[in-house]
Amino acid sequence: KAGVTQTPRYLIKTRGQQVTLSCSPISGHRSVSWYQQTPGQGLQFLFEYFSETQRNKGNFPGRFSGRQFSNSRSEMNVSTLELGDSALYLCASSFFSRTVTEQYFGPGTRLTVT
Amino acid sequence: TQLLEQSPQFLSIQEGENLTVYCNSSSVFSSLQWYRQEPGEGPVLLVTVVTGGEVKKLKRLTFQFGDARKDSSLHITAAQPGDTGLYLCAGEGGSGGSNYKLTFGKGTLLTVNP
Repeated sequence: KAGVTQTPRYLIKTRGQQVTLSCSPISGHRSVSWYQQTPGQGLQFLFEYFSETQRNKGNFPGRFSGRQFSNSRSEMNVSTLELGDSALYLCASSFFSRTVTEQYFGPGTRLTVT
Repeated sequence: TQLLEQSPQFLSIQEGENLTVYCNSSSVFSSLQWYRQEPGEGPVLLVTVVTGGEVKKLKRLTFQFGDARKDSSLHITAAQPGDTGLYLCAGEGGSGGSNYKLTFGKGTLLTVNP
């Protein structure tokens, strides 16, 4: 199976602009989670979508939003970009067994806000 | 809020040495996972442990889940330069079972020098 793909891999934006990141999960996986990774804070959970519905949400401002399409592909949008939004944004698709969620990550999108 | 603390934060050793890194919490997790991340890439799942006291081996890596399911350790025998990377632990759910959401520690950055 192909792995998780994320586009674009690198992005440079200016403060105040908005950005949309895309994620295609592993075929058959219906859950997509998004994380922000920075050196100081580590991996921070943004939100998770399952079958086009947001099922879990982290503690991020409303400028961060997402959606999932019927083919399980997901997009994440950040509006009114701030310098502090510079980070590696990771998408993960999930496999669920009886008691375990296993996440498989894409390579990430490196966002730089200037 | 469930928190995972990883120690040490940084570890630099010579090839051939043994090492152990730790992942601790005051919360109970239904499962715990270990990932390794290399620069510029997304985390890669190494192992999932589910049962308190469980020990899993992956070649030179040994993973243990604490009896109370609140902590875990990763032991590497005869470390090699290819083991270099950021080791992340992630816990899911609690005593009530899966909640489809992972909480990540900030990681241990391991450097193995030739």
